[in-house]
Amino acid sequence: EVQLVESGGGLVQPGGSLRLSCAASGFTFGNYDMHWVRQATGKGLEWVSAIGNAGDTHYEGSVKGRFTISRENDKNSLYLQMNSLRAGDTAVYYCARARGLHARGRYYYVMDVWGQGTTVTVSS
Amino acid sequence: DIQMTQSPSSLSASVGDRVTITCRASQSISSYLNWYQQKPGKAPKLLIYAASSLQSGVPSRFSGSGSGTDFTLTISSLQPEDFAIYYCQQTYTTPALTFGGGTKVEIK
Repeated sequence: EVQLVESGGGLVQPGGSLRLSCAASGFTFGNYDMHWVRQATGKGLEWVSAIGNAGDTHYEGSVKGRFTISRENDKNSLYLQMNSLRAGDTAVYYCARARGLHARGRYYYVMDVWGQGTTVTVSS
Repeated sequence: DIQMTQSPSSLSASVGDRVTITCRASQSISSYLNWYQQKPGKAPKLLIYAASSLQSGVPSRFSGSGSGTDFTLTISSLQPEDFAIYYCQQTYTTPALTFGGGTKVEIK
């Protein structure tokens, strides 16, 4: 079964750090781009960061310089190191697998597998 | 950055109704548009990709259309399990992606 399981969430004070993990199973992890998406309570989905299967990294503007995405393909694991945390970072954090699906002669990028999410609360 | 605007933000409908949700991009994104469904406490689920292609296993009552800046998600006959929040997502600027604000479909 294809599965993603996040862990590492919790309560942290403003300015603190937290490291999220995402354990993948049921597919060849190293072949896929991976993403982190977050959702504050009662709010919409917000893309946070991505790492390509070649290790290239990308970040949403508000987390650039504070968050670091990484992966260990031999451990089938994705990580998000979050530093200098702010109240506005409070959210459920999802990891998601991305791939190209073929349609009309092209490949279109989708997030086709998601984890159940882990909750990060930044508060004093 | 490409902004994605969904309308309405919420709607009330009855079982059996035809429901249409709109997503507008701030610039042309060709057909690089996905739709996701999210139920309370659950992760999003991919419904439609490439603006109009149905993801495997998704019921045929779901359909998508549009290209450029204007897109629609249609549920032809709303079922009880369809009450959820629906999000559009542009992938024109992959891997940096943008979601719309969501449309909550509620029971009338």
